[in-house]
Amino acid sequence: AQSVTQLDSQVPVFEEAPVELRCNYSSSVSVYLFWYVQYPNQGLQLLLKYLSGSTLVKGINGFEAEFNKSQTSFHLRKPSVHISDTAEYFCAVWAGGFKTIFGAGTRLFVKA
Amino acid sequence: DTEVTQTPKHLVMGMTNKKSLKCEQHMGHRAMYWYKQKAKKPPELMFVYSYEKLSINESVPSRFSPECPNSSLLNLHLHALQPEDSALYLCASSPLDRTEANNEQFFGPGTRLTVL
Repeated sequence: AQSVTQLDSQVPVFEEAPVELRCNYSSSVSVYLFWYVQYPNQGLQLLLKYLSGSTLVKGINGFEAEFNKSQTSFHLRKPSVHISDTAEYFCAVWAGGFKTIFGAGTRLFVKA
Repeated sequence: DTEVTQTPKHLVMGMTNKKSLKCEQHMGHRAMYWYKQKAKKPPELMFVYSYEKLSINESVPSRFSPECPNSSLLNLHLHALQPEDSALYLCASSPLDRTEANNEQFFGPGTRLTVL
């Protein structure tokens, strides 16, 4: 069965500091992984996705993630965050067919 | 046009009311989804339509009735809802021109539903 664990429910960080949001997955089918961002009162937007190939995936807004098969992880990173990055971040794994399993979410709070 | 639109943005209804949520996309996507999202929780899949046919119903109560009148439109008809149905209802779409796993989902902004 597929599952996603986001290890931190909240991550406070100062502006211009680096950040890492942690995600671990399990999957019994081909591994396809996603990070989505949800700004307040909005829908979800895809930040990046891993389907195959290079394990370092670059996304929008300066985010990147690294797929680590041995550690079953897909952590999201940004070298320098902005106030505008304050949002909820969801890691997700393809569960076969039309289904995507979302993690519980990590609230990134960027402080001035 | 690369967005999914949803109307209304907010909806307040009583338990005896009948209302509908509407979702529209003009990206030529042939899969459309309804999700329910409670506060501080991830989205939960409710229904999936592919090529205008219902593909997935995640054991959703019959007081929620989806409809896909054409490839661009998705409706969710609501009747006799309960207060615990209050949530953000998200619509999403994805193309079906590659393997299903490649299909990132494009989400609308959601309808914030309050049931009194």
